[in-house]
Amino acid sequence: DGGITQSPKYLFRKEGQNVTLSCEQNLNHDAMYWYRQDPGQGLRLIYYSQIVNDFQKGDIAEGYSVSREKKESFPLTVTSAQKNPTAFYLCASMVGAGGGRGGEQFFGPGTRLTVL
Amino acid sequence: QQPVQSPQAVILREGEDAVINCSSSKALYSVHWYRQKHGEAPVFLMILLKGGEQKGHEKISASFNEKKQQSSLYLTASQLSYSGTYFCGTVGTGANNLFFGTGTRLTVIP
Repeated sequence: DGGITQSPKYLFRKEGQNVTLSCEQNLNHDAMYWYRQDPGQGLRLIYYSQIVNDFQKGDIAEGYSVSREKKESFPLTVTSAQKNPTAFYLCASMVGAGGGRGGEQFFGPGTRLTVL
Repeated sequence: QQPVQSPQAVILREGEDAVINCSSSKALYSVHWYRQKHGEAPVFLMILLKGGEQKGHEKISASFNEKKQQSSLYLTASQLSYSGTYFCGTVGTGANNLFFGTGTRLTVIP
């Protein structure tokens, strides 16, 4: 079955540590996205990538980094520079490289990150 | 660029109708609607494109007023399964990315 997987589902991190969240898709989608969701809030875009080896910052990229070495993989690293990283992180993908203009985004199940 | 949704929350009895509104201060290319159950990923419902093309569900309808940069999602004869948080996402003309609203929590009770 095609879809998007994120791991782990729950992640605990000590302050000052970097942590990497995994996102893999087998939908053969060109575009991939990382969103952050805080309680009672909408989704805010962290980074997005429309093709392999290329990515752009979203609205809240500070303290995060990404890579896109393979079409199916788009890992997100939460660095120690992110001041308030506790949140629910969602990865999404979309067929085509036209950004979010006219396409349906498919979301993974999410990773809930808690900083202790 | 975040769109504004209203109401923030609504409680319905099964069979009742609901309307959720989404408005933007920017000229829009498209409006997207998603539903999210608690602790789960958002699920796509519908896209409304500038020019009137609509792609989405059969049981849920929506409108898009391009001149007012507004969209409304219509849920008729609500079912318990309709419960969740509904998000609109907007793409501005000349932009490529979705900006999501803060959501409308819909609760359907028996």
